Amino acid sequence: QKEVEQDPGPLSVPEGAIVSLNCTYSNSAFQYFMWYRQYSRKGPELLMYTYSSGNKEDGRFTAQVDKSSKYISLFIRDSQPSDSATYLCAMSGVDSSYKLIFGSGTRLLVRP
Amino acid sequence: GAGVSQSPSNKVTEKGKDVELRCDPISGHTALYWYRQSLGQGLEFLIYFQGNSAPDKSGLPSDRFSAERTGGSVSTLTIQRTQQEDSAVYLCASSSSRAGGTKNIQYFGAGTRLSVL
Repeated sequence: QKEVEQDPGPLSVPEGAIVSLNCTYSNSAFQYFMWYRQYSRKGPELLMYTYSSGNKEDGRFTAQVDKSSKYISLFIRDSQPSDSATYLCAMSGVDSSYKLIFGSGTRLLVRP
Repeated sequence: GAGVSQSPSNKVTEKGKDVELRCDPISGHTALYWYRQSLGQGLEFLIYFQGNSAPDKSGLPSDRFSAERTGGSVSTLTIQRTQQEDSAVYLCASSSSRAGGTKNIQYFGAGTRLSVL
């Protein structure tokens, strides 16, 4: 079993929909949680960064971390065709915080 | 300023040949990372450099893989006697600090797409 599980999709939604992306993990030592967006043939770019549990909002994006359930989510409001990409969750522990463990990514398609 | 630069962007090689992949991190970033992304998979950590400290090589999959970082800046990932299973995108990232927190945010290059025939 992988340390971080993520549904590969693809997830297809109409423009303007609310998108929910999720990851589960098994290592209770994880403290830092990130969401990256990766366009085709590009490197991942950081969208959201959260430490420990709680919510964080940035524009149309909201990240949630539930450490008791070992479950993290990314919500995208008013989705746009330009949001079509692969979304990768990543996490690390306090020890070796630099060593990010990634999910396999969810491919999102927002239809105009 | 300039982001993380990787070269070449694409590399096709024959099984058994050696390849070198180059990464030029963001200026001033002290930490540098290599990851491998196989088709449909997430990123797999390979190696981490921080300043003059000994690198963390724990993610290198075999002794055919090695990496150097010269002068605390440019890094080269070398794969010897390439195999077909080495085909993947090799991504480099850099960050400004080793400590946890937002200063540890990793900025990625576009990657080198390696195909071993």
